[in-house]
Amino acid sequence: NAGVTQTPKFQVLKTGQSMTLQCAQDMNHNSMYWYRQDPGMGLRLIYYSASEGTTDKGEVPNGYNVSRLNKREFSLRLESAAPSQTSVYFCASSEEVSRFYNEQFFGPGTRLTVL
Amino acid sequence: GENVEQHPSTLSVQEGDSAVIKCTYSDSASNYFPWYKQELGKRPQLIIDIRSNVGEKKDQRIAVTLNKTAKHFSLHITETQPEDSAVYFCAAPNTGNQFYFGTGTSLTVIP
Repeated sequence: NAGVTQTPKFQVLKTGQSMTLQCAQDMNHNSMYWYRQDPGMGLRLIYYSASEGTTDKGEVPNGYNVSRLNKREFSLRLESAAPSQTSVYFCASSEEVSRFYNEQFFGPGTRLTVL
Repeated sequence: GENVEQHPSTLSVQEGDSAVIKCTYSDSASNYFPWYKQELGKRPQLIIDIRSNVGEKKDQRIAVTLNKTAKHFSLHITETQPEDSAVYFCAAPNTGNQFYFGTGTSLTVIP
């Protein structure tokens, strides 16, 4: 039981390049999330998927797209990377999206640098 | 949307002393408040949470208190140990089921 896994662990891009961050979970969770973590800013939600087949914008969606490929996998794509997207990206999953109880399990993170 | 403020941003305590971290939130309808611990270079992990129908919850050396009237909740760590050194985040949900995290508190426990 690996929990939430992410690839790659590290990535360096040049401005304008594109890339996809991969995330998978083996806990049969319905909901998945993408966050970015910047120094002094905490964790900010980029996009989330309440269930397979649905995606919704979070707090900071500009410059990103997502795909919920199946129940296990949720990918984040940067179409044209910018230095402002330099950050640590965390994927997370939970049984469901709910404001009543929603323990989120995080992946190990992807450290992305855009030059 | 929800606005979560967390204080202090850094906290140093002597081993064995207590540490308290406070968060305030703006959405009066929020009713679930988790705390996450993130060790250096690692992923955030849930350490304790509280629902709005209780005022306090304890788990060994860790406790969380909630004041819904004042819209704030606090993390209390007693008898701190060096392994408690980490960044701690609070969070609160908004009506759209999105979680807003505080900006984090870097706790250092000095042996």
